[in-house]
Amino acid sequence: DIQMTQSPSSLSASVGDRVTITCRASQRISDYLNWFQKKPGEAPNLLIYAASTLQSGVPSRFSGAGSGTDFTLTINGLQPEDFATYYCQQSYSLPSFGQGTVVDIK
Amino acid sequence: QVQLVQSGAEVKKPGASVKISCKTSGYTFMDHAIHWVRQAPGQGLEWIGWINVYNGHTKYSQKFQGTVTITTDTSASTAYVELRSLRSEDTAVYYCARLSFTDTTNYYRYLDYWGQGTLVSVSA
Repeated sequence: DIQMTQSPSSLSASVGDRVTITCRASQRISDYLNWFQKKPGEAPNLLIYAASTLQSGVPSRFSGAGSGTDFTLTINGLQPEDFATYYCQQSYSLPSFGQGTVVDIK
Repeated sequence: QVQLVQSGAEVKKPGASVKISCKTSGYTFMDHAIHWVRQAPGQGLEWIGWINVYNGHTKYSQKFQGTVTITTDTSASTAYVELRSLRSEDTAVYYCARLSFTDTTNYYRYLDYWGQGTLVSVSA
């Protein structure tokens, strides 16, 4: 099984900040990497697939990068609605998720 | 519009079974696989398994092998997950999600539409 490790586990930021979350795979997964946003009481929301492709309807302040084993999700200009938990997920083999990164208000 | 609507919350005793439904609409049911994911209280997302709706082929996380069965009723455009021998650790919100993919060259796969979630509570 492929293990996904995110860092940090949590971070505090202010509106307008640039935020970067890192995800590392336990083996090379090319660019078969997706990012989700999760808010309490809501279903996960797909932000990015194929490491860097923005899902339709997702604001352009979200971006993804990386290939192989190391990936990043960046939010440029954090908005109030972006405070949430973010998960990476590999789709190279049977799916697995990172443990999540909580983004909360500083 | 694409919708996945799940059945309501369940309360079960340890050792019991539960079957959750996921009724889909707004797309051709046979064209997309369905995955199941859960989130226990205070925990992260955990993948359970998936079903190829076209041919009925299933694949499960090793953790759930033998205690979970995913099925579909294509006439009703509905997917199901059944969990057996429930334990308190199975208390979680269970989600179904539709799998989409890009071109057949790279075949990037992603879960683009999700059900609203079904809370399963297991307690004596």
